Amino acid sequence: EAGVAQSPRYKIIEKRQSVAFWCNPISGHATLYWYQQILGQGPKLLIQFQNNGVVDDSQLPKDRFSAERLKGVDSTLKIQPAKLEDSAVYLCASSFGGVPSYEQYFGPGTRLTVT
Amino acid sequence: SQQGEEDPQALSIQEGENATMNCSYKTSINNLQWYRQNSGRGLVHLILIRSNEREKHSGRLRVTLDTSKKSSSLLITASRAADTASYFCASPSGGYNKLIFGAGTRLAVHP
Repeated sequence: EAGVAQSPRYKIIEKRQSVAFWCNPISGHATLYWYQQILGQGPKLLIQFQNNGVVDDSQLPKDRFSAERLKGVDSTLKIQPAKLEDSAVYLCASSFGGVPSYEQYFGPGTRLTVT
Repeated sequence: SQQGEEDPQALSIQEGENATMNCSYKTSINNLQWYRQNSGRGLVHLILIRSNEREKHSGRLRVTLDTSKKSSSLLITASRAADTASYFCASPSGGYNKLIFGAGTRLAVHP
């Protein structure tokens, strides 16, 4: 089965610019997650979707980050304007369901560098 | 805040040796999961152990869970150079499948 797809794989932008990341989850997976992973740390959940709806965005910096999941499939994560501290790998993951026993499958990530 | 904390932060061993990584967590858990991350395959789920289980095996991996001590360990037996990666423990938080990851253990296996 095809895995979680993400694009772009790498992005370099200047601070105050905007950037968008795209994710296509595994077919049939209702739950989609966006994580931020800063170098040397574990991934941190930014936002979790169940189908079209947001179930957790408690750690999403809403003044600059936004995310949507149209039609319950693909998702985009946007940062506007970017700050230096946003330099990180942004991981998208999906799972069949939203209960804790379901394994999450991760995409390759987008490495963002903000200069 | 991170739920799990791995120990050691870094581990360097020779091929064929065993590698043990530990994870401590703070609150009650439904299950605990271990993930591996390397540049080739990204972040991959290795094994899930439920709160009512004490030990679980998968190939060369052995995971233990001690809920009284809020700790888990991951043992990789007969390590290979391909096991070189960062290993993370993660546990679900809240009613949904929100995973809280630790900072990871960086394992280097030398040929």
